[in-house]
Amino acid sequence: DTEVTQTPKHLVMGMTNKKSLKCEQHMGHRAMYWYKQKAKKPPELMFVYSYEKLSINESVPSRFSPECPNSSLLNLHLHALQPEDSALYLCASSQESLVRLPPDTQYFGPGTRLTVL
Amino acid sequence: ELKVEQNPLFLSMQEGKNYTIYCNYSTTSDRLYWYRQDPGKSLESLFVLLSNGAVKQEGRLMASLDTKARLSTLHITAAVHDLSATYFCAVDMRKAMNYGGSQGNLIFGKGTKLSVKP
Repeated sequence: DTEVTQTPKHLVMGMTNKKSLKCEQHMGHRAMYWYKQKAKKPPELMFVYSYEKLSINESVPSRFSPECPNSSLLNLHLHALQPEDSALYLCASSQESLVRLPPDTQYFGPGTRLTVL
Repeated sequence: ELKVEQNPLFLSMQEGKNYTIYCNYSTTSDRLYWYRQDPGKSLESLFVLLSNGAVKQEGRLMASLDTKARLSTLHITAAVHDLSATYFCAVDMRKAMNYGGSQGNLIFGKGTKLSVKP
């Protein structure tokens, strides 16, 4: 099973709303990622969790708040977003190791298409 | 700062023809990925290339890696309509972590939008 699931598939929210994106994988991967992809652009890394700890934050605004409740789940909490935050938000996971080994591929979920009004 | 450049960005091909997509990157890396993305869909992993001279093939697609030239190619043989999609290369610029391991950090090229016409 190489599936990463994301909910919801689509989300429309106002600038004053609070919402959350969810991501789940059951492949035993210990690294999970959030990417943002604008239309006709490549994905851009936002956050990386390794062994349930935040290891990379690519200078993302605080209106995006990641959370990793356990090794299978990754959330992205959204608050006071701007219209320019409208994008496809992709979750990914990969096998990671505490030693320097070649990584497995990052497997991507189907994404949540977010529209901020 | 790592730069990953793909060319061409747009490619219109006829069925049955061959073509190559190029991916150049500016900093040493020993791992490169190719992904496919259909419109409105997520990214599908195609190839992982981990060493100089690596060549992998799947169906009509073949990927290679030359780490000395910092170049990867994705060759399409006898294109068919089903190959129409956007193809991304991504270079893994791993970040060292305090615990002694390292964290994956993919930097994507801009993508090549491939359109295969009958």
